[in-house]
Amino acid sequence: GAVVSQHPSWVICKSGTSVKIECRSLDFQATTMFWYRQFPKQSLMLMATSNEGSKATYEQGVEKDKFLINHASLTLSTLTVTSAHPEDSSFYICSASGEIEQFFGPGTRLTVL
Amino acid sequence: GENVEQHPSTLSVQEGDSAVIKCTYSDSASNYFPWYKQELGKGPQLIIDIRSNVGEKKDQRIAVTLNKTAKHFSLHITETQPEDSAVYFCAASKGYSTLTFGKGTMLLVSP
Repeated sequence: GAVVSQHPSWVICKSGTSVKIECRSLDFQATTMFWYRQFPKQSLMLMATSNEGSKATYEQGVEKDKFLINHASLTLSTLTVTSAHPEDSSFYICSASGEIEQFFGPGTRLTVL
Repeated sequence: GENVEQHPSTLSVQEGDSAVIKCTYSDSASNYFPWYKQELGKGPQLIIDIRSNVGEKKDQRIAVTLNKTAKHFSLHITETQPEDSAVYFCAASKGYSTLTFGKGTMLLVSP
């Protein structure tokens, strides 16, 4: 399958700071990238869908001003968690889609102190 | 919107046995059904998928079956091995739309 990378794999930050997570499709051009959040022992919760060059579409209940998504190219999307708080601590996973299949990155563990 | 139910939530089998995980979906327009394997602390890995124009698909020890009339699909793993232990998620979508995931099945294969 296709390869999707995420950076960083884990990050610890202080409350009130911002954190940027990068998602890259390494061997294909992703027309669409997705950002998910996963709490322990739960399923994946879709946060937003982004297409290259256009604004992201956020799921209901996800604050677009808090979770900034940029999809600058067909191989790179970034998620910035602004003014992070302890309740934002979670496992954030991106996926990339060229056609119908979605390929997931390895995830980023965010811990906000 | 689409709703995907997955059962069982946990499944314990002995090495060499078969494992079956079942999912049902609500939207008859859904036409793409992938299965993902997620190991602890890692992202989901696509292991097999099926489209609505096919009733069954196999890849070595893994197979997926789809019953469009009943709106359910299943993952079958034969000759299970300890390295098959993970959480498995089913999902459904309509073409290029977003995936709706089941709640996951934790599979434990004991040596």
